[in-house]
Amino acid sequence: KNEVEQSPQNLTAQEGEFITINCSYSVGISALHWLQQHPGGGIVSLFMLSSGKKKHGRLIATINIQEKHSSLHITASHPRDSAVYICALGRDGGSQGNLIFGKGTKLSVKP
Amino acid sequence: DAGITQSPRHKVTETGTPVTLRCHQTENHRYMYWYRQDPGHGLRLIHYSYGVKDTDKGEVSDGYSVSRSKTEDFLLTLESATSSQTSVYFCAISRTSGSFDEQFFGPGTRLTVL
Repeated sequence: KNEVEQSPQNLTAQEGEFITINCSYSVGISALHWLQQHPGGGIVSLFMLSSGKKKHGRLIATINIQEKHSSLHITASHPRDSAVYICALGRDGGSQGNLIFGKGTKLSVKP
Repeated sequence: DAGITQSPRHKVTETGTPVTLRCHQTENHRYMYWYRQDPGHGLRLIHYSYGVKDTDKGEVSDGYSVSRSKTEDFLLTLESATSSQTSVYFCAISRTSGSFDEQFFGPGTRLTVL
């Protein structure tokens, strides 16, 4: 069983829609990261969180440690949000910054 | 932009040839990582470095070696490339160790082994 599962794998939305991407995990973690990979391949870090909720612009990330679940929400989605969104786990006791990465959710936002 | 470059950005090579990929950073970060990204898999750690001449293996290190003789450069070498090493390779850096630290990624190198 994979230690981190993302859903859905693929998501198509219309511009303006509210989007939710989910990440479930099965191991103890000290932090959870959300990353965005642009169609051109570049990867950027969106959020790092260990509890509660964080917001940046139209993006909101939440985490429930007890349920081992995190969500990434995008409000008022726009075609420029089209990308692959990756959840990554920082494990309890993990050394040297090693992360476990999910397979990603490919989001396509249509105008 | 965290000041990370990778070279080459694209490479096509033949099975059995040696290949070296370079990651260069201008941020003076201590920690550097090499990942590979393949369809159907998340990013997987190949090797990482926690200082000059200090490196360790990751999840998928077989067939790869690394070297770090300067803080700013982390080299990944495929001693004898195989078709299974066709992939996109990403370098990343972080200021500190630990899962709390944000990693900054390079633009990637697309390697094709024929």
